[in-house]
Amino acid sequence: GEDVEQSLFLSVREGDSSVINCTYTDSSSTYLYWYKQEPGAGLQLLTYIFSNMDMKQDQRLTVLLNKKDKHLSLRIADTQTGDSAIYFCAERAGGGNKLTFGTGTQLKVEL
Amino acid sequence: DAGVIQSPRHEVTEMGQEVTLRCKPISGHDYLFWYRQTMMRGLELLIYFNNNVPIDDSGMPEDRFSAKMPNASFSTLKIQPSEPRDSAVYFCASSPVGLRFNEQFFGPGTRLTVL
Repeated sequence: GEDVEQSLFLSVREGDSSVINCTYTDSSSTYLYWYKQEPGAGLQLLTYIFSNMDMKQDQRLTVLLNKKDKHLSLRIADTQTGDSAIYFCAERAGGGNKLTFGTGTQLKVEL
Repeated sequence: DAGVIQSPRHEVTEMGQEVTLRCKPISGHDYLFWYRQTMMRGLELLIYFNNNVPIDDSGMPEDRFSAKMPNASFSTLKIQPSEPRDSAVYFCASSPVGLRFNEQFFGPGTRLTVL
């Protein structure tokens, strides 16, 4: 079955890099995603990676995918206070449109 | 486009009452999803529709929950009767066909409190 796990909490200082990790179990995942949820709001897509890629970079965001270990990470460079939010990884398995979301990691950025 | 619209934003009701949550997806999107978010269980998919037809309702917790999509621009999630353990934030999301990576666009959510 599908199971996506993340650590619950991460605290970093402003200007440092943040690395949020995620593990998944479904080897048939085609796309993996990172969503951001700000307080009182819905989730918003940050970035995604196709399963045949190892890395994707988008401005301050770097996504790394290790398919062998079923491990996904999101690195945020030069973390700002505005990056404080809950970050969810999600996987899409096969050709379906259903996503399985992780538990979410609350990122707190301190001055 | 206004994005996914949900109403009400907040609902407080008493145990045993019927609750109806409403969602208007983004125009032209073919998929509509209902999620529930709680501290204990995180984000759970309840049901999703394709072209107004329910495709997977395996996440609907029990018979007290029902969802309908009478047309492409409107969906409801009904809880009858409501119980305190139904207290959660309920999100609606929609997704277009044609995007290979299937981004889901989320509404702001309805915070439900059942006393």
